[in-house]
Amino acid sequence: GDSVTQMEGPVTLSEEAFLTINCTYTATGYPSLFWYVQYPGEGLQLLLKATKADDKGSNKGFEATYRKETTSFHLEKGSVQVSDSAVYFCALRRSGGSQGNLIFGKGTKLSVKP
Amino acid sequence: SAVISQKPSRDICQRGTSLTIQCQVDSQVTMMFWYRQQPGQSLTLIATANQGSEATYESGFVIDKFPISRPNLTFSTLTVSNMSPEDSSIYLCSVEVGTASTFGSGTRLTVV
Repeated sequence: GDSVTQMEGPVTLSEEAFLTINCTYTATGYPSLFWYVQYPGEGLQLLLKATKADDKGSNKGFEATYRKETTSFHLEKGSVQVSDSAVYFCALRRSGGSQGNLIFGKGTKLSVKP
Repeated sequence: SAVISQKPSRDICQRGTSLTIQCQVDSQVTMMFWYRQQPGQSLTLIATANQGSEATYESGFVIDKFPISRPNLTFSTLTVSNMSPEDSSIYLCSVEVGTASTFGSGTRLTVV
């Protein structure tokens, strides 16, 4: 079945370091891909998305490119801040029909130290 | 995007009791989704709630344990029945708007 695999955490970085969180997926058809973020004590928020191959989603300095050839959607940021400390979830949504629900990876906890 | 109001935000409940979680959406939506996030884990879909029909449950979840109501296109409830400590989780509702999903702020449930 469809699945999402993302790198295990926790990830600890110093402020202004470069961030990559790997995400790969298994799915039939052409799923939409998402990164969600969960800040401490808050609900889940959409960070960015891509709906077709080669699309690049971006928001708040974060980027991810939908790579169909490698079935990947890695999250990157050039210079992290302490305020980026959160849990990041990669997710896919199956294409077509009424299957609108999301399949999530296990989440990667990011801690950014000053 | 849609705005979801979910309540309660948290509760501590005695084992054997039931808790009903409510989600109100500020626009009409066809489907609402209920997820569970166990401590340190990812989100798992419990069921999909359609207005006017019975909810569709994912493998491992049953209606007797997690009854769902969907009386109209803007509202849904999830009940966690006969609770045990293993039900301690965050429960979230979600709706699909365009190509993305919006989530409620979650209900943090602790069963003692």
